[in-house]
Amino acid sequence: NAGVMQNPRHLVRRRGQEARLRCSPMKGHSHVYWYRQLPEEGLKFMVYLQKENIIDESGMPKERFSAEFPKEGPSILRIQQVVRGDSAAYFCASSDTQGNYGYTFGSGTRLTVV
Amino acid sequence: AQSVTQPDIHITVSEGASLELRCNYSYGATPYLFWYVQSPGQGLQLLLKYFSGDTLVQGIKGFEAEFKRSQSSFNLRKPSVHWSDAAEYFCAVGPGGNKLVFGAGTILRVKS
Repeated sequence: NAGVMQNPRHLVRRRGQEARLRCSPMKGHSHVYWYRQLPEEGLKFMVYLQKENIIDESGMPKERFSAEFPKEGPSILRIQQVVRGDSAAYFCASSDTQGNYGYTFGSGTRLTVV
Repeated sequence: AQSVTQPDIHITVSEGASLELRCNYSYGATPYLFWYVQSPGQGLQLLLKYFSGDTLVQGIKGFEAEFKRSQSSFNLRKPSVHWSDAAEYFCAVGPGGNKLVFGAGTILRVKS
């Protein structure tokens, strides 16, 4: 009974490259959330998706960041033209309803931009 | 705007001692409140949650938290800390969980 699977666990990108972070929700979960954790800070909401729909992207930076959750396959968080300030841990969470009972988090992807 | 304050960045307690981690929130309506724990290099694990009913909630690993509306607080407690409890603890508030606002976290160190 796998939990929320995120890959890769660690990702190193040079400035200007693209980063693709993948998240497979728990079996039976159709709601996915992405959060970013900067060093020594709490998690900050980025985006909430259901299958094929973005429900709330109020926490997403206006440029370079995008997210999708296709009908088939994992949710993808895409960061184009990465900069050093994008270095952070990115966590995905999933829930079976609207998250009222708490999420299940993945182990995160730690992005380092060099 | 919603916000969560965890006043203590670091707390050190002796193994076997009691623990209380503080959490204060600002939220306009009845909040949904959560405590999560994060071990180094890991994701977050839900310890407990509150959204209605009894203001004292029990969670996993022997933790409990008490919702005090008059104080806008949701402090986490454990009567006897174990070395394996050393981790970072996050309090979060939300309008039903879709978009949680997290505090900055409290790092718990346990000394033997």
